[in-house]
Order: sequence, then structure tokens, then C-alpha cells
Amino acid sequence: ETGVTQSPTHLIKTRGQQVTLRCSSQSGHNTVSWYQQALGQGPQFIFQYYREEENGRGNFPPRFSGLQFPNYSSELNVNALELDDSALYLCASSLRVPGEETQYFGPGTRLLVL
Amino acid sequence: SQQGEEDPQALSIQEGENATMNCSYKTSINNLQWYRQNSGRGLVHLILIRSNEREKHSGRLRVTLDTSKKSSSLLITASRAADTASYFCATDKAAGNKLTFGGGTRVLVKP
Repeated sequence: ETGVTQSPTHLIKTRGQQVTLRCSSQSGHNTVSWYQQALGQGPQFIFQYYREEENGRGNFPPRFSGLQFPNYSSELNVNALELDDSALYLCASSLRVPGEETQYFGPGTRLLVL
Repeated sequence: SQQGEEDPQALSIQEGENATMNCSYKTSINNLQWYRQNSGRGLVHLILIRSNEREKHSGRLRVTLDTSKKSSSLLITASRAADTASYFCATDKAAGNKLTFGGGTRVLVKP
């Protein structure tokens, strides 16, 4: 167990809807990164939050947005859902300190868009 | 886009055999990490190797890194049925930065 939790575990939405996914980071970690993993592929970086500020973004449209809270937990919001948004969404927490580079992943939220 | 490629894409071996998988990447890195994923669940961190290291061991795992060839290998010795999973390499360019993953190697260990 990594101490990183995500909710919900599964979610079904329809095209055009909005979704919010949640992540609680490991105790003491100040950085949360979000990844999207399509079936049969490796995870793709969406964005990272460090001390409540966005700190890097991958090649995802603005309808993917996020938040990090003072307790370092985080949310991923996706607006105007598309069928291709169906994927496993993973969050990872870390310290962002040289020598402590390991990112610890949660179990993921599986999103199905119909 | 994926940083690198894993090779092979799939591997089937008998329990007790060794499993070797390779990872190539495209740009300079700070660290390379290997993760395991069981049945589409969360990623479990296995081992991290820094760009100035050439080989690292952890239990039954052995990782090598060749920065001149931009490649790494993961060896699992004396495999067990419980090693059945997908294995991913991931690189970062600086401490704590985003991880860029390869496409993974799916390993099946038959009892």
C-alpha cells in the first residue's frame, strides 16, 4: 500500500457531462501528479500540482483542470466529456526533492464515457 | 507522447525462469524507474536508477542503465506466478518532474 487513495474507483458518465476525481496524497507529500492511461498503453502525464500551484502540464486540452488543497489532496476535473476520455486515471504523490524522486501511485479511477 | 519503447511487448515464461525486458528512451534523463501494474490497477514502484548509475539490485530484480544507448533493462530472476503483470519504465528529466512512460511489457508467468 502506498498510502495514496483515489475516489471513486469506477465511474460511468455520458458524453458532454462533467466529472471530478479525487486523490489523497501520501502523508508528508506536497506534490500530486495526474496521469491518464488508456487501455493497453502506458500512462500519459496530464499535470502536476506543487504546493497548490499547477507545475507543469502535458498535452491535454483546457477542459482538463485541477486543484490542490492546503492538505495537498487534489482533484481532477474534466468538462465536456468525450468518448476518448474513457481511461484509468491515476494520481501519484511525491516530495519533489532530489533524492526523493519516487512517485507513489494510487489505485486509480476507471472512467467509462458512453 | 511516449518517451520510449519497451521490448518485448509481451513475454510468456515458466515459473522459475528469468524474465528480461528492455526499455529505450529518446532524451536525456535524470532518473529511470520501473513500475509494475497488475490487471489495470495502480502502479507499484519497483526500483529507481539514477543517470550516473549503471546497475542496481533489489531482491530478485536487477536493473541496468546505459545512458550512451539510452536504454535500460529489467531482469526478474526465478520468476513466480505472482510476477504476472505489466511492467513499465518511466523517465524524468529532473527531480520530481513528470514521468514519461513507455508502452509496457506484459509478462505472463505460467505455473
